[in-house]
Amino acid sequence: DAGVTQSPTHLIKTRGQQVTLRCSPKSGHDTVSWYQQALGQGPQFIFQYYEEEERQRGNFPDRFSGHQFPNYSSELNVNALLLGDSALYLCASSGRWGTEAFFGQGTRLTVV
Amino acid sequence: GESVGLHLPTLSVQEGDNSIINCAYSNSASDYFIWYKQESGKGPQFIIDIRSNMDKRQGQRVTVLLNKTVKHLSLQIAATQPGDSAVYFCAENTAGNEKLTFGTGTRLTIIP
Repeated sequence: DAGVTQSPTHLIKTRGQQVTLRCSPKSGHDTVSWYQQALGQGPQFIFQYYEEEERQRGNFPDRFSGHQFPNYSSELNVNALLLGDSALYLCASSGRWGTEAFFGQGTRLTVV
Repeated sequence: GESVGLHLPTLSVQEGDNSIINCAYSNSASDYFIWYKQESGKGPQFIIDIRSNMDKRQGQRVTVLLNKTVKHLSLQIAATQPGDSAVYFCAENTAGNEKLTFGTGTRLTIIP
């Protein structure tokens, strides 16, 4: 079982650009959540996808959008990048509510 | 590590000793709690979880205690090893609310 896989592992973008991050959930999981982790802080919930729909959203602007595919994999898109978007972006997959969420290794995004 | 730590609470423990990491939560409606371990450059790794209808749960070398009266959660690690050095986060979840809310994190350092 490969667990949750994310790509790329590191990325450098210029302010104003757009970025797409990718996530493949753990086998058997149908729900994907995205989190942003700034340096020295805990992960902050961005949104969650289930059955190809955004099920819940955290306090992030519309510049952050996502998608889930029929195979449950997911993408996180961020438009008009700001320096403050530099962070570790984590994908977590889970099954039904109240079961453990497994995290990927994250994508380190640096905006310059 | 580049993903966590500048101003986190810290705890240093001699190798072989037991450690206790504490977490306070604010939402009295939270009913599912998870402890995660995050090593430098990696995503959070599930350690142990507990539901609100329990006050104690044990795993391999770890015990989680839940005190709902004072909204407090603790993680006890027995016979600590160098590999236990990491940042530890508690996370909470509420039925019907899909997101995990993470605490600040505690950096645990095991002294050889």
